[in-house]
Amino acid sequence: DSGVTQTPKHLITATGQRVTLRCSPRSGDLSVYWYQQSLDQGLQFLIQYYNGEERAKGNILERFSAQQFPDLHSELNLSSLELGDSALYFCASSGRQSGSGNTIYFGEGSWLTVV
Amino acid sequence: LAKTTQPISMDSYEGQEVNITCSHNNIATNDYITWYQQFPSQGPRFIIQGYKTKVTNEVASLFIPADRKSSTLSLPRVSLSDTAVYYCLVGGAGGGNKLTFGTGTQLKVEL
Repeated sequence: DSGVTQTPKHLITATGQRVTLRCSPRSGDLSVYWYQQSLDQGLQFLIQYYNGEERAKGNILERFSAQQFPDLHSELNLSSLELGDSALYFCASSGRQSGSGNTIYFGEGSWLTVV
Repeated sequence: LAKTTQPISMDSYEGQEVNITCSHNNIATNDYITWYQQFPSQGPRFIIQGYKTKVTNEVASLFIPADRKSSTLSLPRVSLSDTAVYYCLVGGAGGGNKLTFGTGTQLKVEL
């Protein structure tokens, strides 16, 4: 158990809909990262937040947005969903210890299926 | 950002030592090297991290030459359960970096 919690674990929704994925980082971690992994594909970095502020942005679609709340949990919002958005969405966190390099710890993912 | 290059796939047999090398020619001074293991439909799992020379833990060793332009993950005596994708990640501490994963190496272990 990495200590990173993601909900829901599975989600099926229709095209055009909007969903919200939730992530609770490890206790004390300030950074949250979101990644997308489509079937048989690599991990695509979407966005990073650090202590509530957006810190880095990857290839995140304009239909997607995220935020990190004061209690450090994060949400990834996916709107106007398309079939191609079907994927595993991972949240990861880091920053509990200074000098810990770039060790990030992943949750088990939220599996989104768009039909 | 330090781009990483790894072999797409490797095959091995149970009981053998497996070495997976990652190239990262433009690694920055404050970048660490971290390896992850991922099973299908699961989140990547931290294996080992290093900055220079050699690091060993209970599951693997990480060899980093002096120029730090590559690193080698060594898995001693692999078993079937080590069949997974292995990712090399290079990046710095804290925020502001994208921690982009490469394509990873699919390791297949057979009897």
